[in-house]
Amino acid sequence: SQQGEEDPQALSIQEGENATMNCSYKTSINNLQWYRQNSGRGLVHLILIRSNEREKHSGRLRVTLDTSKKSSSLLITASRAADTASYFCATASYLDSNYQLIWGAGTKLIIKP
Amino acid sequence: GAGVSQSPRYKVAKRGQDVALRCDPISGHVSLFWYQQALGQGPEFLTYFQNEAQLDKSGLPSDRFFAERPEGSVSTLKIQRTQQEDSAVYLCASSLGRTGVEQYFGPGTRLTVT
Repeated sequence: SQQGEEDPQALSIQEGENATMNCSYKTSINNLQWYRQNSGRGLVHLILIRSNEREKHSGRLRVTLDTSKKSSSLLITASRAADTASYFCATASYLDSNYQLIWGAGTKLIIKP
Repeated sequence: GAGVSQSPRYKVAKRGQDVALRCDPISGHVSLFWYQQALGQGPEFLTYFQNEAQLDKSGLPSDRFFAERPEGSVSTLKIQRTQQEDSAVYLCASSLGRTGVEQYFGPGTRLTVT
């Protein structure tokens, strides 16, 4: 079963525009992570935000977390064609000595040149 | 190694056949995870190893699925008597620490059961 739900399911924008994806989840978490998956490739870790953080930046990425609403957003600024990929949020809960990642279904992002 | 590798990258099996999928994690990584990813969906957790110990196998969908990591490095996911619903991409991930906070993924094995 999947905990996270990404919104929108698909997003198509022009190169140079900003892209915003949202993730909602159901249970309490230790942290939330965003991953990117290009066609035919594995998942690549982008950024992790802890439950006591509200915002985090990494290059062109900005992530926010609202634990009261159980939601997170990923903003990609000044998008490039290479950003075309599926983006997944994964919530992490610490159970029995390991982090179990629960994943959403992903947002498919297409950047038009 | 440079990253997590998996083999084979693609596997076609006839229904009822047994398959074995291999994962080579990053050298020195303690934690190893297996996930199943259906088309258009996010990964779903299958099982977790800490070194050679399988600490969590709650995600394995049936007793036809079996995973091992006998020496705490390479891991094998075995599926016996494959069914069509087993068709998916099987992803392996490893993590340096015991908790698996930041996971590094392999490219996956795409299994098609005909």
